[in-house]
Amino acid sequence: AQKITQTQPGMFVQEKEAVTLDCTYDTSDPSYGLFWYKQPSSGEMIFLIYQGSYDQQNATEGRYSLNFQKARKSANLVISASQLGDSAMYFCAMREGRESNFGNEKLTFGTGTRLTIIP
Amino acid sequence: EAQVTQNPRYLITVTGKKLTVTCSQNMNHEYMSWYRQDPGLGLRQIYYSMNVEVTDKGDVPEGYKVSRKEKRNFPLILESPSPNQTSLYFCASTVPGLAYNEQFFGPGTRLTVL
Repeated sequence: AQKITQTQPGMFVQEKEAVTLDCTYDTSDPSYGLFWYKQPSSGEMIFLIYQGSYDQQNATEGRYSLNFQKARKSANLVISASQLGDSAMYFCAMREGRESNFGNEKLTFGTGTRLTIIP
Repeated sequence: EAQVTQNPRYLITVTGKKLTVTCSQNMNHEYMSWYRQDPGLGLRQIYYSMNVEVTDKGDVPEGYKVSRKEKRNFPLILESPSPNQTSLYFCASTVPGLAYNEQFFGPGTRLTVL
């Protein structure tokens, strides 16, 4: 079974509209972290936002927020007031295990969603 | 400025010709890892290192080697590259944080094996 599932290969959104990028995950570990990364056409991986499995509140970072629904195992990224510069590939990723255990910091990635903002 | 650097950024080579992709970080991080990115597969971990002289396999280690002789460098070695190793490669180093450990990714190396 896929550990991280991103069901939207591509999305087109009008500029200034809000965008929700879907991510569901699968783990039996009670401790995990969820990350979202942005990859523009230049190729670099840009960290956007983090949500820990024990966090009581949804994470927010500027225009980015994470809609974390633990029981449904979903961690959707919401981008408010989209801009042309938001056009990129977006990856959801998970790290299993407690953050305090400095073991393998492996991130398991989804297949990504290519977001295109239309002027 | 915190940085993870990779060289070369682009490489076209032929089957069987040994190559090394270098990775260097200036943040004194202990943990480093290599990923490859392929269309439709996302990023997958190749190898990781928890400290100097401590390395271990990730999910897709076949055909790759690594070494960690000093903390700042973590080169990826392809002894006999094959076309199925054509990919975009990322090096990452991890800094432990209060709430979570953040991974800094290098700029990527696009490798084509003919």
